[in-house]
Amino acid sequence: GAVVSQHPSRVICKSGTSVKIECRSLDFQATTMFWYRQFPKQSLMLMATSNEGSKATYEQGVEKDKFLINHASLTLSTLTVTSAHPEDSSFYICSATDREDEQYFGPGTRLTVT
Amino acid sequence: GESVGLHLPTLSVQEGDNSIINCAYSNSASDYFIWYKQESGKGPQFIIDIRSNMDKRQGQRVTVLLNKTVKHLSLQIAATQPGDSAVYFCADTGANSKLTFGKGITLSVRP
Repeated sequence: GAVVSQHPSRVICKSGTSVKIECRSLDFQATTMFWYRQFPKQSLMLMATSNEGSKATYEQGVEKDKFLINHASLTLSTLTVTSAHPEDSSFYICSATDREDEQYFGPGTRLTVT
Repeated sequence: GESVGLHLPTLSVQEGDNSIINCAYSNSASDYFIWYKQESGKGPQFIIDIRSNMDKRQGQRVTVLLNKTVKHLSLQIAATQPGDSAVYFCADTGANSKLTFGKGITLSVRP
């Protein structure tokens, strides 16, 4: 149990385009979902916290208009990188917490902007 | 082998030896601590956790030690195997469930 999936696992997009990443909790309802970004050889940095039906809370320095987060249901959150640029290339990881506040991580999405 | 995690980003150990990975955290209000293993191109994988009311917790081949006085966390892996090769992160959190990750240490197991 407690599986979190992400789609796509890898995506390549051209500079200036937008790309959407999905995060799903497959066998539990997620009270909260988190989005992280990880650059090569670095740690995970929290980007935003997402609760179903409410606006996401963004960490300092993360542009909310560039990284659009939608948490439409208790099992799905999406992150849209708008007007992507090469510096947005990174590994994006989501996590979801269950009702017991256990946090489960997705497998990550590798974004490459050319 | 030993590593002061935040200052030595790579730890190389002989297969079969014990590994000790160290981590320092900064938030004295943190009350929950987790070790994660991350293999290349994958998301973090939970290894073991410990709450602030404990100073030691054991799992299968792994032990986590917590010293709240000096805000130090360590992960001990017994009889390290090639499959243990990965990057290891400590993380801590408080009441808001937001995890703060440490910098990570690469564990390399020599055959």
